[in-house]
Amino acid sequence: EPEVTQTPSHQVTQMGQEVILRCVPISNHLYFYWYRQILGQKVEFLVSFYNNEISEKSEIFDDQFSVERPDGSNFTLKIRSTKLEDSAMYFCASKADYTEAFFGQGTRLTVV
Amino acid sequence: DQQVKQNSPSLSVQEGRISILNCDYTNSMFDYFLWYKKYPAEGPTFLISISSIKDKNEDGRFTVFLNKSAKHLSLHIVPSQPGDSAVYFCAASGSNQFYFGTGTSLTVIP
Repeated sequence: EPEVTQTPSHQVTQMGQEVILRCVPISNHLYFYWYRQILGQKVEFLVSFYNNEISEKSEIFDDQFSVERPDGSNFTLKIRSTKLEDSAMYFCASKADYTEAFFGQGTRLTVV
Repeated sequence: DQQVKQNSPSLSVQEGRISILNCDYTNSMFDYFLWYKKYPAEGPTFLISISSIKDKNEDGRFTVFLNKSAKHLSLHIVPSQPGDSAVYFCAASGSNQFYFGTGTSLTVIP
């Protein structure tokens, strides 16, 4: 069964460092998303991506964040200068037209 | 601005009984509603969905009900099993965007 895969499963980084979280969406999907969940809190939308551009982003997705689909298969989330409050589980999701979104297993980001 | 709300953070149910999880939304433009199940340290897993043109969708032990006039949906699990213990998120979608509720932690007691 096709699935969304995310790497790494856990990333520890120092405050101020750049991190790149990687996702391989399901191959025929068209819409891509990043969500995050801070421990004990709700799942929060970060950004959606369609047709090689950002279609919507939340207030959380400020200038420190960027997304890219560099090679037609990977979908990456970059945080330029991490802050302690960026520590969270980051989930990538993808979907085709008129279907549910499928989520990856998440990357746990710990900023120290 | 919370567009999708799950007002019960937790629910405990005896094995074999019915679990009812509730969700309210505010945006009448939402046209597709979903329930996801989430275990700790894992991604949400799709459970069941319903289009706004329907008021009920059933899949095995899981049934989702949609009341558009009340902007309310519910997930019924019958009979509940210990393996159903997880956090359940409802989500609403419009224009290929998903908005999640805060989740309800379901515990099914053997």
